[in-house]
Amino acid sequence: QVQLQQWGAGLLKPSETLSLTCAVYGGSFSGYYWSWIRQPPGKGLEWIGEINHAGVSTLNPSLKSRVTISVDTSKKYFSLKVRSVTAADTAMYYCARGWVHYGLDVWGQGTTVTVSS
Amino acid sequence: DIQLTQSPSFLSASVGDRVTITCRASQDVNTYLAWYQQKPGKAPKLLIYAASTLQSGVPSRFSGSGSGTEFTLTISSLQSEDFAAYYCQQVHSYPPYTFGQGTKLEIK
Repeated sequence: QVQLQQWGAGLLKPSETLSLTCAVYGGSFSGYYWSWIRQPPGKGLEWIGEINHAGVSTLNPSLKSRVTISVDTSKKYFSLKVRSVTAADTAMYYCARGWVHYGLDVWGQGTTVTVSS
Repeated sequence: DIQLTQSPSFLSASVGDRVTITCRASQDVNTYLAWYQQKPGKAPKLLIYAASTLQSGVPSRFSGSGSGTEFTLTISSLQSEDFAAYYCQQVHSYPPYTFGQGTKLEIK
């Protein structure tokens, strides 16, 4: 059974870089799209972007200038970086597995990220 | 971006009730629509993909229908564990893959 486990710094100051990593356990890494989604407190879900095993990423245009998603296939990890964070980036961040035209069927446990001076 | 509008945003119902949540897309998404359930403090859980296909392990009281721009999620007989937030997501065109704003289902 596939499991995703994520980690990263939870408290940042404005202008710092958010960095999260998600590890894939128990399943194949290729053939899927590995995604990041966030959810501000009390609000809905926002798709940040995704990457495949070959390292091809697609990002939300609203965040594209500040976001990088990368992959390490040897470790079955994928990572998210968001530069120059502000309070608006405060959210629960999730990693997830997806297929084309399918949806997100396996999710990480979530990481709370707070941006505060 | 394709906008998804869910209705209602809040729904109060009782155990045993039949409830329907609607998701309307601003453009045709064919049947490339997924539904999720999210309980407080937990990650979303995929319920339905391809508009009407039940994800493995999801109870049969959940069903989805629709195509094009209008979709519904129906729970045939509410159970206590179904009180949660529900989100639709279009997986037709991106970036970005957009979500609806959510429907919070509460106990009456």
